[in-house]
Amino acid sequence: GQQVMQIPQYQHVQEGEDFTTYCNSSTTLSNIQWYKQRPGGHPVFLIQLVKSGEVKKQKRLTFQFGEAKKNSSLHITATQTTDVGTYFCAGLVSGGSYIPTFGRGTSLIVHP
Amino acid sequence: DGGITQSPKYLFRKEGQNVTLSCEQNLNHDAMYWYRQDPGQGLRLIYYSQIVNDFQKGDIAEGYSVSREKKESFPLTVTSAQKNPTAFYLCASSLGVEGRLLYGYTFGSGTRLTVV
Repeated sequence: GQQVMQIPQYQHVQEGEDFTTYCNSSTTLSNIQWYKQRPGGHPVFLIQLVKSGEVKKQKRLTFQFGEAKKNSSLHITATQTTDVGTYFCAGLVSGGSYIPTFGRGTSLIVHP
Repeated sequence: DGGITQSPKYLFRKEGQNVTLSCEQNLNHDAMYWYRQDPGQGLRLIYYSQIVNDFQKGDIAEGYSVSREKKESFPLTVTSAQKNPTAFYLCASSLGVEGRLLYGYTFGSGTRLTVV
């Protein structure tokens, strides 16, 4: 079936360093969502991107949707210990069902 | 406050027993979903329902069953036919779809099922 690949699987950073996670799809996506799951918690919806080339910001988080709508990224500037968790992307295939496909997530570990 | 409630938080069962996980939402969401999460596997879709009295199989439906008799409730039964039932189970709901726009999911806090 359609897959959304997410890399890296894990990322260790020192507090204050930047972090980026990437999502790639082999097929065009109509939109992509991002979620954050804290350790021991449940995923929480962060944002949805719909337009080609779209860029959205939430404080230190920057979300991008590629021009071809096949990839997306989440960039965190100057990480803090509160950023620890697993970040998931979920892509909705164009012309497909209304069920998004989740990536496997990137676990961010921030060292103080 | 509106939300989605899963119970219990932890559940232990003996092998061969069926077990039902509860999921209730008061968000007035049409769509509800069940996901299974295993370490390193991300979220895998078990079943989903976009309207009352209707539900569809997801990617890993074998060994599971659901019902959607009320808009607010979407219980999941893990049957003895499920080969490896120990996992973290997440229920989610959403407003569904408007045009081609998919609304974001609201997840419950999950149920950790351990089968011994």
